[in-house]
Amino acid sequence: ELKVEQNPLFLSMQEGKNYTIYCNYSTTSDRLYWYRQDPGKSLESLFVLLSNGAVKQEGRLMASLDTKARLSTLHITAAVHDLSATYFCAADSTGTASKLTFGTGTRLQVTL
Amino acid sequence: DAGVTQSPTHLIKTRGQQVTLRCSPKSGHDTVSWYQQALGQGPQFIFQYYEEEERQRGNFPDRFSGHQFPNYSSELNVNALLLGDSALYLCASSLLDRGYPEAFFGQGTRLTVV
Repeated sequence: ELKVEQNPLFLSMQEGKNYTIYCNYSTTSDRLYWYRQDPGKSLESLFVLLSNGAVKQEGRLMASLDTKARLSTLHITAAVHDLSATYFCAADSTGTASKLTFGTGTRLQVTL
Repeated sequence: DAGVTQSPTHLIKTRGQQVTLRCSPKSGHDTVSWYQQALGQGPQFIFQYYEEEERQRGNFPDRFSGHQFPNYSSELNVNALLLGDSALYLCASSLLDRGYPEAFFGQGTRLTVV
């Protein structure tokens, strides 16, 4: 059974600082997804990582995938308050994104 | 493109009642998956529908059932509601094409069981 673990569960960081969220998964999964969720809202797709060594960047966020280590990271550069949200990683056991296994989420709070 | 749409957005039901939630997938998508997200948790996979059939199922009891229509829209039905069924129910649509695996989520239905 595919299991996904994220850490940290909660992250409070000052504006301008850098930090990394880690996502480990238990079995083979060549596809890894990152989503953002604002309170009471749905999931917004951030990154789709489809192969080993994949790196994608959007603004202050950069995601990478190491399938050999079964690890994905979401790096935040020079955080701003607008990045405050809960971030989820999800692994895909089907190859079709139709059955995602999510981590517990990392609640990010960026303070002034 | 309206994206994935769900209805209703909020719902309050009494224990023991039955509820039906609806989802219209993103245009061009043929697969609908349902997830339950309890407060403070990550979404949990309920089941997936493709070609009007349930193809995969998570660890949810038979009280949870669904349907997919020829236009790819889908319903989630929950019978004999329990307090523990209170959650945000998310619908995701995707295209069953391994060349482009991406799931898009609707805004969710917030179900409260009292």
